[in-house]
Amino acid sequence: DIVMTQSPDSLAVSLGERATINCKSSQGVLYSSNNKNYLAWYQHKPGQPPKLLISWASTRESGVPDRFSGSGSGTDFTLTISGLQAEDVAVYYCQHYYNTPRTFGQGTKVEI
Amino acid sequence: QVQLVQSGAEVKKPGASVKVSCKASGYTFTNYDINWVRQATGQGLEWMGWMNPKSANTGYAQKFQGRVALTRDTSISTAYMELSSLTSEDTAVYYCTRDLPASYWGQGTLVTVSS
Repeated sequence: DIVMTQSPDSLAVSLGERATINCKSSQGVLYSSNNKNYLAWYQHKPGQPPKLLISWASTRESGVPDRFSGSGSGTDFTLTISGLQAEDVAVYYCQHYYNTPRTFGQGTKVEI
Repeated sequence: QVQLVQSGAEVKKPGASVKVSCKASGYTFTNYDINWVRQATGQGLEWMGWMNPKSANTGYAQKFQGRVALTRDTSISTAYMELSSLTSEDTAVYYCTRDLPASYWGQGTLVTVSS
């Protein structure tokens, strides 16, 4: 099984500052046949289903503010929130969909 | 518009089974896998398994092997997740999603296991 490890577990960021969340997979999630990283980022707020922010490691979903960006390849990935807003307080998860089981990271709680 | 509508909250006793439904609309049900994810109280997201509605092929996380069954009824565009031998550790919100990466999620179903 591919183990997804996020860091840090939590972080506090001032409004307008940058938040950086890291995600490391125990095996590579890059398919050489299509050169795509099978890695997604989700935002999860209490009482709501998770929201997909980033797919394929760096493709922002339609409607997601451009302050959210994803980067990385292979085994090391980063979600960056540039200019944190109050509504960004949430838990953020990475998930691979390279093979089964499609495991999540343990989550990173972002606070103001 | 794409929607996944799940069945309502359940309260079950330890040792019982629960079956959660996920009704899809707004797209061709058999064209996309359905995944199931849960969040136990105070815990993170946990992927449980997937099903291909066209073929009925399934894949499960090892943790749930032998205890979970994913099925579907294509005539009513509905997927089901049945979890047996429930314990208090299965108290969680259960979500269905359309495919991965998951752009579409059900609203979640709270399953409470309590004696």
